[in-house]
Amino acid sequence: GAGVSQTPSNKVTEKGKYVELRCDPISGHTALYWYRQSLGQGPEFLIYFQGTGAADDSGLPNDRFFAVRPEGSVSTLKIQRTERGDSAVYLCASSQTSGGASSTDTQYFGPGTRLTVL
Amino acid sequence: AQTVTQSQPEMSVQEAETVTLSCTYDTSENNYYLFWYKQPPSRQMILVIRQEAYKQQNATENRFSVNFQKAAKSFSLKISDSQLGDTAMYFCAFRSYGNKLVFGAGTILRVKS
Repeated sequence: GAGVSQTPSNKVTEKGKYVELRCDPISGHTALYWYRQSLGQGPEFLIYFQGTGAADDSGLPNDRFFAVRPEGSVSTLKIQRTERGDSAVYLCASSQTSGGASSTDTQYFGPGTRLTVL
Repeated sequence: AQTVTQSQPEMSVQEAETVTLSCTYDTSENNYYLFWYKQPPSRQMILVIRQEAYKQQNATENRFSVNFQKAAKSFSLKISDSQLGDTAMYFCAFRSYGNKLVFGAGTILRVKS
């Protein structure tokens, strides 16, 4: 079946603007994750959804960042008043269940959205 | 908090030879999972191999194998018979309860012909 898809592939915006990044998880996957990957670094966790609710949003850097998953499938990451430091690749991943420490549930990643804030 | 350290920013290997990528991690948890992901220039993160901490046997997937040393908190990746298509950034990652992955900074692997 289809993998995780993300749109747009690239987004260029100006400082202070609002952006939305979309993630379509693998069909049937209940868990969805957002990560941010700055140039030359590993991905950093932002937020994780189990179904429609945010189970862990401890990685969101500040209140300019918000994410939703209203129907438990597609998710949108929203960034208000963008800053140059927000420039990064935003990765989305999904997994079949949320598992916990006893699960081997694998997270499958999308190709990411490269956000550039000028 | 858990941390993952990859001490080799870049590695090179000749085609058909073997290379080992290093990873160490820090945690107070007893049950957890470790992963190696590959990220080619296309940006797509691809799972290479995973290891459950409670299993003593090292995981193997075709040309890829790990050396998991739980007491030393070490999790290295060995790639045998390296191929040009193995050229990519490799990330070591840790996951315990809570599901979020904690990644290292990555190692760029270049396979030369």
